[in-house]
Amino acid sequence: DTGVSQNPRHKITKRGQNVTFRCDPISEHNRLYWYRQTLGQGPEFLTYFQNEAQLEKSRLLSDRFSAERPKGSFSTLEIQRTEQGDSAMYLCASSLGPGLSNEQFFGPGTRLTVL
Amino acid sequence: RKEVEQDPGPFNVPEGATVAFNCTYSNSASQSFFWYRQDCRKEPKLLMSVYSSGNEDGRFTAQLNRASQYISLLIRDSKLSDSATYLCVVNSDAGKSTFGDGTTLTVKP
Repeated sequence: DTGVSQNPRHKITKRGQNVTFRCDPISEHNRLYWYRQTLGQGPEFLTYFQNEAQLEKSRLLSDRFSAERPKGSFSTLEIQRTEQGDSAMYLCASSLGPGLSNEQFFGPGTRLTVL
Repeated sequence: RKEVEQDPGPFNVPEGATVAFNCTYSNSASQSFFWYRQDCRKEPKLLMSVYSSGNEDGRFTAQLNRASQYISLLIRDSKLSDSATYLCVVNSDAGKSTFGDGTTLTVKP
């Protein structure tokens, strides 16, 4: 399967714990995006990378969230000191970029439940 | 006010009906526009890009009105398989994508 993959698919954690998610984009894609989606809402932009450079981070994102893409390939999203409000589906997408019209291909997401 | 707004619906239509969805955006500097489809418990997938001149792909027609900051999607001859949530997406010149909250369509036999 050469699509976008995300691991784990599901994560249940206790409030206050740290969690880390991984995204493997389509291999030739330069751009990688992270989104968060809750029930009844559209995907909410968190951050995106052009190769290894993080180009923009949502103002809605607190300092507890950090993302990396160290070698311009896979990316990780870490949430520190999780809160119940962090419970959501975390989606990763990739695109050829940097052209504005490039289609984003989404992974299946990681569903986080914070107890 | 959200940057991208859509009528959430739900739209419940019979097979064969024509249905139209609307989307408005607030950032006049937005550069590119898309409609994505999301099935229940699945990831979003691109349905079509939206061009200033309007574009058509089979039963689907997308329109963009930059002056009014308005995007539309028309689905003709609805099929049961069209049942899904349709997401309006607006890209800034920096490449950031803003999604609407989606419009839910249910096509009934």
